[in-house]
Amino acid sequence: EDQVTQSPEALRLQEGESSSLNCSYTVSGLRGLFWYRQDPGKGPEFLFTLYSAGEEKEKERLKATLTKKESFLHITAPKPEDSATYLCAVRATGGYQKVTFGTGTKLQVIP
Amino acid sequence: SAVISQKPSRDICQRGTSLTIQCQVDSQVTMMFWYRQQPGQSLTLIATANQGSEATYESGFVIDKFPISRPNLTFSTLTVSNMSPEDSSIYLCSASTDTQYFGPGTRLTVL
Repeated sequence: EDQVTQSPEALRLQEGESSSLNCSYTVSGLRGLFWYRQDPGKGPEFLFTLYSAGEEKEKERLKATLTKKESFLHITAPKPEDSATYLCAVRATGGYQKVTFGTGTKLQVIP
Repeated sequence: SAVISQKPSRDICQRGTSLTIQCQVDSQVTMMFWYRQQPGQSLTLIATANQGSEATYESGFVIDKFPISRPNLTFSTLTVSNMSPEDSSIYLCSASTDTQYFGPGTRLTVL
């Protein structure tokens, strides 16, 4: 069974204090690893898809990396508007497009 | 990408009644999904909405409680039947191309 574990559950940063969120996964064969941002009361907003170990993607202050067992979401010099819950999800190989989600990391950036 | 809209955005319902949630995608997609997100929790897949055939339900979810329609490649509905307070949750529609996109959610409160 596919599993996704995210850590920490919650993270509190000062504005400008860089850090990383972790996503560990177990899947029979990785077809894609996804990062989403979710604001309270809203649906998840797509950030990145990573497909193979060694791949990296960046968007503004966010950079996602992937190894064979985990992914990191690096946040550089965060701002208060980066406060949100960040969700990681994996899709396994095979014909079915089911995505398995982790429980998320709730990030709070304090001015 | 895919832009997804849901109606209603929120509702307050009485115990024992039913609510139908509509999901519209701005382009034709093969796969559509329905998720539930309870307060403070991650996303739980309810079912895959299959166009032209019966939905595929995940363990713990049944068609009598959550009937789903998928009349075409851009539209789906989820009905929450015979509601109880335990059904209070956010219900999210999702559509998958290579990436899985989400609607804004329907916040349901059952009294």
